[in-house]
Parts: sequence; C-alpha cells; structure tokens
Amino acid sequence: DTAVSQTPKYLVTQMGNDKSIKCEQNLGHDTMYWYKQDSKKFLKIMFSYNNKELIINETVPNRFSPKSPDKAHLNLHINSLELGDSAVYFCASSQILHYGYTFGSGTRLTVV
Amino acid sequence: AQSVTQLDSQVPVFEEAPVELRCNYSSSVSVYLFWYVQYPNQGLQLLLKYLSGSTLVKGINGFEAEFNKSQTSFHLRKPSVHISDTAEYFCAVRRIIQGAQKLVFGQGTRLTINP
Repeated sequence: DTAVSQTPKYLVTQMGNDKSIKCEQNLGHDTMYWYKQDSKKFLKIMFSYNNKELIINETVPNRFSPKSPDKAHLNLHINSLELGDSAVYFCASSQILHYGYTFGSGTRLTVV
Repeated sequence: AQSVTQLDSQVPVFEEAPVELRCNYSSSVSVYLFWYVQYPNQGLQLLLKYLSGSTLVKGINGFEAEFNKSQTSFHLRKPSVHISDTAEYFCAVRRIIQGAQKLVFGQGTRLTINP
C-alpha cells in the first residue's frame, strides 16, 4: 500500500485554467504539507495542516487554496494557472516532525 | 533563522570511489538535521537523521553523516558508491515558526556516478 499518494502524477493544462491535486496518506499522521519544487530542484514549503487546521501558510499567491477535509487528505486547488506555476508539487505527512516527512511521488504540473 | 547550505550543486565521482556531500547549517539552538535522496522522477526518501546523541549517524544504503557542532556541519558520506546512487541529495533542518514546525531544505546536490 502506498503511504502517501498523489493524483494525478502528471498534469498538463493551459494558462487560465483551474486545476486540483489530491493527496491521501494512510499512515495515521496528523500533519500534512504541500511543497513546490521548481525547475532548479529547490523545495519550498507552501502549506501545512495539522488535524485539518491550517498552521503554515507561506507567501503563496491567493490563487492557491489548500483544503483538508480530514487529517488523511490534503488537496490543492489552483485558480487561473500561470506559466510560472509549472513545477513539481509534493505532498508530505508527518506524525512527529523530528522523525521526518514521508513524501508522495509528486505531481508534475505543466502550464502551456 | 535556521537554514542549511549545500556547498556543491554537482558532485561527479567514479563508481566504487568514496563520496562526501557537504552541508552546513545555521542555528543558535539545538537542531534536528536530515538527509533526503530523490531518485529521478520520484519523491524524496529519508536517508538518515540527527536528533541528538551520537554525532555519527548511519542511514540506509550504506550512507552515514557526522554532526559537527563546532563547524556547524552535517556532511553525508559513503565509502564506495554505486551507479544506483545517482540522484539528487537534500540536506534539511527543522525550523519552528510561531509554534509550527517545518523542514527547510538546502539547494540540493546532484550526485552523478560514472562507470
């Protein structure tokens, strides 16, 4: 069983469209995260939820809206997609942070 | 603020040679440090972590790292690399902001193993 699963794995869309990425973890973790990895492989945190509560909201455009219906799911909705949104988006989860994150395999978003 | 700097963006080595990937951290308080590996087109996998105690930390796939407080370093080493070790390696530090914890990653080091 996949511990942290993201869908879709690849997403190609046109500028201006709205898209969603879904994430689910079956580890029983209470904290989930979204990270963005740019073309230079740099990883930057976007959001973090703990038991459905938003606890980290980095400087991210308002077009990005996370939603956590329960502690096992964290979705990312993006409105009015722009070329600069092209990246790999990783979902991750943790129970106690000093044990590290468990990452999903990523969603490669390409905006054309 | 806690952060990490990976000193090499790319490290090419020959198969079966030793390798060291360098990571320096900045922090005035106790640190939790991590190394992650990202194989091509995959997510990140935890290699090892330092929380406290012994400064030499052993991880998976034959990797180890040494925590050096005086030099604020956490370098990753492997005595003999294989082709399969070709990947991107990330050093990370735990950071606490307004009671919330997150991992802050370095810029990554691309390890390329040549036959």
